[in-house]
Amino acid sequence: DTGVSQDPRHKITKRGQNVTFRCDPISEHNRLYWYRQTLGQGPEFLTYFQNEAQLEKSRLLSDRFSAERPKGSFSTLEIQRTEQGDSAMYLCASTDVRDTQYFGPGTRLTVL
Amino acid sequence: QKEVEQNSGPLSVPEGAIASLNCTYSDRGSQSFFWYRQYSGKSPELIMFIYSNGDKEDGRFTAQLNKASQYVSLLIRDSQPSDSATYLCAVTSGYSTLTFGKGTMLLVSP
Repeated sequence: DTGVSQDPRHKITKRGQNVTFRCDPISEHNRLYWYRQTLGQGPEFLTYFQNEAQLEKSRLLSDRFSAERPKGSFSTLEIQRTEQGDSAMYLCASTDVRDTQYFGPGTRLTVL
Repeated sequence: QKEVEQNSGPLSVPEGAIASLNCTYSDRGSQSFFWYRQYSGKSPELIMFIYSNGDKEDGRFTAQLNKASQYVSLLIRDSQPSDSATYLCAVTSGYSTLTFGKGTMLLVSP
């Protein structure tokens, strides 16, 4: 399978715990994006990387959120001290040379 | 603040009919326009993209762009029950992030 992959697909955690999600982009894509989507809303941008450089972060990305993309390959998104409001689908996308974004299956986070 | 507006629906059409989905955007600098389909509980799947004014056809789908009116639409011909999903309109300005609308739910009845 050569699409974008994300792990885990589902995560249930207790409030206050830390969680980390992983995204593996399509191999030849050098830009990688993270979005968050809640019920009834479209995806909202969180952050994006060009290779290993984090070029833009949304105001939605509070201090509890951190993202990395070591060596410009896979990316991780960590949420520290989770809150119930963090419950959402976290989507990763990578782009081809035409700047068309292809999404992974997402990680659904539930914070109890 | 870049905004993308869509009617939330649901838009109900009978099988075989044409479904028309509409989207307006606020940023005149927007350059690329996308339609994604999203089934419940799944991630968005790219359906169409369009960069220039006019129509672009791909199978049963036609995307229409009018930059002067800041308006994008998606027509689905010969609608099938399997087309029932939420359709997300998204726009971007060059190498930038996508700004999504909230999506329009389409229901195609057999």
